[in-house]
Amino acid sequence: NAGVMQNPRHLVRRRGQEARLRCSPMKGHSHVYWYRQLPEEGLKFMVYLQKENIIDESGMPKERFSAEFPKEGPSILRIQQVVRGDSAAYFCASSPVKGGANVLTFGAGSRLTVL
Amino acid sequence: KQEVTQIPAALSVPEGENLVLNCSFTDSAIYNLQWFRQDPGKGLTSLLLIQSSQREQTSGRLNASLDKSSGRSTLYIAASQPGDSATYLCAVETSGSRLTFGEGTQLTVNP
Repeated sequence: NAGVMQNPRHLVRRRGQEARLRCSPMKGHSHVYWYRQLPEEGLKFMVYLQKENIIDESGMPKERFSAEFPKEGPSILRIQQVVRGDSAAYFCASSPVKGGANVLTFGAGSRLTVL
Repeated sequence: KQEVTQIPAALSVPEGENLVLNCSFTDSAIYNLQWFRQDPGKGLTSLLLIQSSQREQTSGRLNASLDKSSGRSTLYIAASQPGDSATYLCAVETSGSRLTFGEGTQLTVNP
């Protein structure tokens, strides 16, 4: 079991471009969570998804950000028209069931740099 | 709104010293509290999880305590080693499976 796989590990974009971050959960995990870590700050919850459903997106910025977790394939965090303030590490976590921090497994993160 | 604070922000100690990291949270209605380790460029590694009904958990040289009523937790590291150098994050789970993290304590253990 390869754990939670995130790619790309590092992504550089110019202002106005789009960024797509992918997360493949652990085998058998159908719950995915995205967190963002801005420079010098703690991790902040963004969105919680199950297969084909967004359960809680209360931490997502209202504009330019979207997330999906299709029936087949990885979860995608999409950032349109990136700005410098989007530069951060984006972490994905997965679990086999809802709830319970003890069953969350984190990926190594995708580090986005916006020039 | 739940807020988690970690003190100190950074700590540097000589090898072999025992140390304590502190975490406080504003809303005592938590399901559990978890301590993570984060190495540069890496993901998060779970160290200890304390359920809301528990007072402490131990794993090897690590001991975490929880005082839910006062909104505090401590992570005690015994006989620190250079390999313990990392950022330590405290996180609480309140509702909806979401974790609220502190900003972390950056620990350096000097040989």
